[in-house]
Amino acid sequence: DTAVSQTPKYLVTQMGNDKSIKCEQNLGHDTMYWYKQDSKKFLKIMFSYNNKELIINETVPNRFSPKSPDKAHLNLHINSLELGDSAVYFCASSLSGGLRETQYFGPGTRLLVL
Amino acid sequence: DQQVKQNSPSLSVQEGRISILNCDYTNSMFDYFLWYKKYPAEGPTFLISISSIKDKNEDGRFTVFLNKSAKHLSLHIVPSQPGDSAVYFCAASAQGGSEKLVFGKGTKLTVNP
Repeated sequence: DTAVSQTPKYLVTQMGNDKSIKCEQNLGHDTMYWYKQDSKKFLKIMFSYNNKELIINETVPNRFSPKSPDKAHLNLHINSLELGDSAVYFCASSLSGGLRETQYFGPGTRLLVL
Repeated sequence: DQQVKQNSPSLSVQEGRISILNCDYTNSMFDYFLWYKKYPAEGPTFLISISSIKDKNEDGRFTVFLNKSAKHLSLHIVPSQPGDSAVYFCAASAQGGSEKLVFGKGTKLTVNP
């Protein structure tokens, strides 16, 4: 029974395309996150939402737009994909967004832009 | 600017021995530290944490030590098992800070049978 799931797991696409990654959590958590792990292996936060409200919006190009239709879902839409967007994107959730709470991660979506 | 540094990209140990993974940080405001473990093709999973009011936290085979003056923490795994082979990420946060976890680059641990 997957706690945090992401689709798709792999995504290969051409530069300039628009793509979406979906995330769902069945833990009943209020807070969800998107992280990016780039080629240098750093895991960096991009966005966080608490009960559908945007809390953290790091310095991310506005081609990236998160959408939270309800507190169990946080999708990531990327417009005009660029080579540098190739990375692994992880979704995560936590109970209420407290920094001392455990964050539960999805399996990741491996995006390759050609 | 790397606020959390894991300077060893990889570590190899024999089964049954101790594994010591190191992490340094630069932001003196960090007051909570976590270790996450990641297997290939999976997301990171929480392993152990420590608050800055402590200098040691233990959970079974895993112990985290915090040296605030040196801005250094370490994760000890004793005894190491082949199933411990994974990438270990150190992370830190500052209460009242930027409301986010800051992760290191990870250290890949290989435990040889």
